[in-house]
Amino acid sequence: AQTVTQSQPEMSVQEAETVTLSCTYDTSESDYYLFWYKQPPSRQMILVIRQEAYKQQNATENRFSVNFQKAAKSFSLKISDSQLGDAAMYFCAYGLTGANNLFFGTGTRLTVIP
Amino acid sequence: EPEVTQTPSHQVTQMGQEVILRCVPISNHLYFYWYRQILGQKVEFLVSFYNNEISEKSEIFDDQFSVERPDGSNFTLKIRSTKLEDSAMYFCASSDLTGTVVFFGSGTQLSVL
Repeated sequence: AQTVTQSQPEMSVQEAETVTLSCTYDTSESDYYLFWYKQPPSRQMILVIRQEAYKQQNATENRFSVNFQKAAKSFSLKISDSQLGDAAMYFCAYGLTGANNLFFGTGTRLTVIP
Repeated sequence: EPEVTQTPSHQVTQMGQEVILRCVPISNHLYFYWYRQILGQKVEFLVSFYNNEISEKSEIFDDQFSVERPDGSNFTLKIRSTKLEDSAMYFCASSDLTGTVVFFGSGTQLSVL
């Protein structure tokens, strides 16, 4: 069964600093996708970044980048130059190619300290 | 930018009542989903819908739940007889044919009293 684990319930970072959120997953599949979603207090789910498992190159979206280690089944999110607006819950999610549902981790609450 | 739209944003109902949650997926998307998030817990998959039928559903999606695409734009989730434990944020989502980029709506907070 596919499981997604986020071992850090809470993290904090100083404004303008860099923070890394951890995510590991368990799967026997070789072709899949990984996602990070941001959930601010409004509880909307916002797609931050996405990684295809067949790509070795780590995905990057502006200040957000991932460290994808396929063999280790690890998918961490790095936020550079943290801003107050980055404060939110961050969920890691896994989805199979051609399948229909995403499996989510339990989330990491990120606090940004001014 | 296209977005998934959900209405209402909040719904309060009495236990045993029927509720219908509504969603307008992104117009050129072909896969539609419902997820739910009980307060303080992770997001859980309920059901996916493609080509006018359910393509996958979870254990949570029992006979009390149903989905429908009544016209070319709306996608609905019906709960026939709500229970207290149905209180949650319900998210609608949609994706293109590849299913690899899933966009979520802003959710409907359902409170069952």
